[in-house]
Amino acid sequence: EDKVVQSPLSLVVHEGDTVTLNCSYEVTNFRSLLWYKQEKKAPTFLFMLTSSGIEKKSGRLSSILDKKELFSILNITATQTGDSAVYLCAVGVGNSGAGSYQLTFGKGTKLSVIP
Amino acid sequence: NAGVTQTPKFQVLKTGQSMTLQCAQDMNHNSMYWYRQDPGMGLRLIYYSASEGTTDKGEVPNGYNVSRLNKREFSLRLESAAPSQTSVYFCASSEIWVLNTEAFFGQGTRLTVV
Repeated sequence: EDKVVQSPLSLVVHEGDTVTLNCSYEVTNFRSLLWYKQEKKAPTFLFMLTSSGIEKKSGRLSSILDKKELFSILNITATQTGDSAVYLCAVGVGNSGAGSYQLTFGKGTKLSVIP
Repeated sequence: NAGVTQTPKFQVLKTGQSMTLQCAQDMNHNSMYWYRQDPGMGLRLIYYSASEGTTDKGEVPNGYNVSRLNKREFSLRLESAAPSQTSVYFCASSEIWVLNTEAFFGQGTRLTVV
C-alpha cells in the first residue's frame, strides 16, 4: 500500500519565522512529488519535483526532493499571515504507458502564522 | 478559464437518499479523479478514470459509483447516503500522457448527510 506521511501535522509560528515542512513516502512506481497549498477551498499547485537534489523556488517558498531517502521538504522563509494554510504533499504514482496515474496524498500540515 | 467545475457546491441529504455529484473539465485531460477530504485525513481517492471508458477504484470506493460520461465529464453517485459520507468532495483532472503532471482541482462540494 502506498504511503505518504507529512510532519508536523500542525505548526504555529510568528510572522518572519522560517518553517520547514516534511514529507516522506513509500510507494511503488514513483513518478513525481507535488506540493499543494490549501486555504479555504481547492488545493492550489505549488511545486512538482521529479529529480533528487534540484531545488525548486518560488519567491519565499522552496522545495527539494531526496529520492534515495524518500522524502521532500518545503521551506517557507520570512513567513506572512497569508501563508496560513494546509500544505499537502502528494506523490504521483503509476505508469503512463499502461494507462494509470494517480496522486496519493498525505494528511497535510496545518500552518498558522500569527502576527 | 473554467478549468474543473463541480456542482453542486453544497448539499444536505437525509440518510438513505441518493444523489449525483457532477464534474466537468475543459482542459482536454484524459484522467479524472474523485477525492474526499475529512478533517485531519488529507485527500483520499474514491475512484478515478484514467481515460474515457475506464474507471477504477481508489482507496475508499465503498458506497460510491462513478460514470465517465465522456472525456469532459465524470460523475460520482451516492446510491444510499450514510452519515459517514459527510465530507468535502473534490473532483480533479490531469493529463496522463505527460509523464509527470499536476492535477487540477474543482472548488469542492460540501456534503452533509443527516
